[in-house]
Amino acid sequence: EVQLVQSGAEVKKPGESLKISCKNSGYSFTSYWIGWVRQMPGKGLEWMGIIYPGDSDTRYSPSFQGQVTISADKSISTAYLQWSSLKASDTAMYYCARLTVGATFVYFDYWGQGTLVTVSS
Amino acid sequence: SSELTQDPAVSVALGQTVKITCQGDSLRSYSASWYQQKPGQAPVFVMYGKNNRPSGIPDRFSGSSSGNTASLTITGAQAEDEADYYCNSRDGSGNHGVFGTGTKVTVL
Repeated sequence: EVQLVQSGAEVKKPGESLKISCKNSGYSFTSYWIGWVRQMPGKGLEWMGIIYPGDSDTRYSPSFQGQVTISADKSISTAYLQWSSLKASDTAMYYCARLTVGATFVYFDYWGQGTLVTVSS
Repeated sequence: SSELTQDPAVSVALGQTVKITCQGDSLRSYSASWYQQKPGQAPVFVMYGKNNRPSGIPDRFSGSSSGNTASLTITGAQAEDEADYYCNSRDGSGNHGVFGTGTKVTVL
């Protein structure tokens, strides 16, 4: 059974750093892309970026380039999303999801449960 | 354009049919996938391309596409289909992905 299990909710202050995780099981972690998706309170889904754990190829949506860092540790089948200096506007739910890619399609077929990040002074 | 546009909200009577649309230039080249999200829950993958349903998704959900528009149709809507629905595809460059603006479906 494919499972993506994310780390727990975080409450941080502006300027602090943070790294959240997404533990994958039930499939070959190095054979699929993993993506991160942001959902701000009461808003829609936003594609942040993706990583291919097999070779660590990472691609960021232009809106998130330079704002976050996506990484993966294939030895423990875990993907990460990190911030070096949080802002109040980073307050959101963050989802990881497994991405299947074809020549003309992409889809996120399995999702983590989400990690709520709250940034407040 | 890298945007995918959806109607903000639609309503459907119980047991009737509703079509949710997603418009964007990139859909002329790339297929859309669709996700259902209920309040307080993670999104669930329900469709990709022209009528490809993952296992466990009822066959009342169907997908189609024409030109720059992709559609998700629910035939015989049930109360449990009330949710937000998002489309997703590659953007115009093909190097990134983008989600639609989302449609809230209300079952009356």
